[in-house]
Amino acid sequence: QKEVEQDPGPLSVPEGAIVSLNCTYSNSAFQYFMWYRQYSRKGPELLMYTYSSGNKEDGRFTAQVDKSSKYISLFIRDSQPSDSATYLCAMSITGGGNKLTFGTGTQLKVEL
Amino acid sequence: GAGVSQSPSNKVTEKGKDVELRCDPISGHTALYWYRQRLGQGLEFLIYFQGNSAPDKSGLPSDRFSAERTGESVSTLTIQRTQQEDSAVYLCASSLGGAGNLGYTFGSGTRLTVV
Repeated sequence: QKEVEQDPGPLSVPEGAIVSLNCTYSNSAFQYFMWYRQYSRKGPELLMYTYSSGNKEDGRFTAQVDKSSKYISLFIRDSQPSDSATYLCAMSITGGGNKLTFGTGTQLKVEL
Repeated sequence: GAGVSQSPSNKVTEKGKDVELRCDPISGHTALYWYRQRLGQGLEFLIYFQGNSAPDKSGLPSDRFSAERTGESVSTLTIQRTQQEDSAVYLCASSLGGAGNLGYTFGSGTRLTVV
């Protein structure tokens, strides 16, 4: 069993839809949770990170962490075609100076 | 530079040959990481540098893989006697390091194809 599970998709939604992306994990020691966006043939870029449980909002993006269920989510409101990319969740036991454990990524396509 | 720079961007090599991949991190970033991304898979951690030392090299898949960092700057990842299963995108990231600092910046990667 992988430490981090993520549905690879692809997920196709119409422009303006609310998108929900999710990951589950098995290691209860994870404390830092991140979402990265990766465009084709580019490196991942950090979208958001949260520490422990709770919600964090940044513009159209909301990250949620439920440590009791070992489940994290990223919501994208008013999705745009420019949001089409692969979204990777990542987790760390300690912040900074430690390796990240990634999910496989979910491929998202937002259609006009 | 403004970002993490990796070279070459693409590399095709014959099975059994050695390859060197280079990473130029953001100036001042003390932490440097190498990850591997196989097609359809998530990023696999390979090695982490803090300064010029590597406190965590647990992800290196075999003794054919090695990495070094000099001058708290450039890093090279060397793969000896390449195999077809080494084909992947090799990504480098850097950060300021330190507890709580999650500002990893990734390069665009080196796409390695072993034929």
